Amino acid sequence: DQQVKQNSPSLSVQEGRISILNCDYTNSMFDYFLWYKKYPAEGPTFLISISSIKDKNEDGRFTVFLNKSAKHLSLHIVPSQPGDSAVYFCAARAMYSGGGADGLTFGKGTHLIIQP
Amino acid sequence: AAGVIQSPRHLIKEKRETATLKCYPIPRHDTVYWYQQGPGQDPQFLISFYEKMQSDKGSIPDRFSAQQFSDYHSELNMSSLELGDSALYFCASSEQGSLIANYGYTFGSGTRLTVV
Repeated sequence: DQQVKQNSPSLSVQEGRISILNCDYTNSMFDYFLWYKKYPAEGPTFLISISSIKDKNEDGRFTVFLNKSAKHLSLHIVPSQPGDSAVYFCAARAMYSGGGADGLTFGKGTHLIIQP
Repeated sequence: AAGVIQSPRHLIKEKRETATLKCYPIPRHDTVYWYQQGPGQDPQFLISFYEKMQSDKGSIPDRFSAQQFSDYHSELNMSSLELGDSALYFCASSEQGSLIANYGYTFGSGTRLTVV
């Protein structure tokens, strides 16, 4: 059962336009969400995160929006640049009582292609 | 800046053999996570360690075991290898105290294991 879903395997966006990557989740215990960017043959690179107590977090060209009632989050990249072409993973973490080093649950990723 | 170091980068083993993957976290990071990413799949959390103790367990097969040593490096031991174990194995590290501010685990570049 996929708890974190990225329903678009790929997305093509023209350079300079806005890229919107979507992610849905089912586990109500998730309280922290992250976006990772991954190039081939490299490990995922942390991009941006958001706590469940917020609905928006912005860092430069990257903004993540969280809609808790819909269990949906999205990553906006504006303006999109050729170097943004990569696979983007949405990930979530559940903070169990007492905290602890819990692993992340990843979505299957969306391959973003920025066209010149 | 020092990153998460994984060795070896590539490993080829035959069925039923054993393999040991190593992970050296970023200095001062006390938590290590192991993930497995099969071809075309999302990264799956295997296991994590905090201060040399197992802190969380995901979908790690019984044939696999792992530990964290006094210098915080970690080893993933895989026995009775099967063809389905062929995957990219990522290690990530974090510092517990930083998790409240930023859940951005830092990933290594991975070890590509091929079982033939």
